[in-house]
Amino acid sequence: DTGVSQDPRHKITKRGQNVTFRCDPISEHNRLYWYRQTLGQGPEFLTYFQNEAQLEKSRLLSDRFSAERPKGSFSTLEIQRTEQGDSAMYLCATVGQESYEQYFGPGTRLTVT
Amino acid sequence: DAKTTQPPSMDCAEGRAANLPCNHSTISGNEYVYWYRQIHSQGPQYIIHGLKNNETNEMASLIITEDRKSSTLILPHATLRDTAVYYCIVRVGDTPLVFGKGTRLSVIA
Repeated sequence: DTGVSQDPRHKITKRGQNVTFRCDPISEHNRLYWYRQTLGQGPEFLTYFQNEAQLEKSRLLSDRFSAERPKGSFSTLEIQRTEQGDSAMYLCATVGQESYEQYFGPGTRLTVT
Repeated sequence: DAKTTQPPSMDCAEGRAANLPCNHSTISGNEYVYWYRQIHSQGPQYIIHGLKNNETNEMASLIITEDRKSSTLILPHATLRDTAVYYCIVRVGDTPLVFGKGTRLSVIA
């Protein structure tokens, strides 16, 4: 258990619906990453927060995706108008204050039907 | 794109040492070598990292060649619970992890 939690663990939605995922990091970790992992592939970077500031976004993060981290605590990732290609595992990771190891949550598996 | 090359799969007998190779011939002087693993349906788990010296922790040992163009992750006594996909990543500072496809290690009883 890394101390990073994600909710929900599984989500099934119909194409065109909006979904929101939540990540609760280790409290003292001020850097937070989102990744996406499709079947048979390694995780791919989506976006990164330092406290509440979103500092970097991948080109994978289309206009339908938005991430927030109010007050620099938990983070949410919303996907609007879901498409079947959005089906993946969405992973959140946090980084310690004094080291650069990333600690991952268990992920949210999204299935778009 | 990932800057590392790993074999797609390996087998190891339970109780024996598992030696997982990684090639990173284009590594820069300030890039560290990180290893993560991912057990089925879980998030990746940090294992170990190093710059140029060999490193050991409670999970594994990391051997980096003198020219830093390759490394080997050693699990000294593999168990069935070590069955996972192992990722070798080179990285500078606190930057996004760039995962390749990793090595699928199967530990066999």
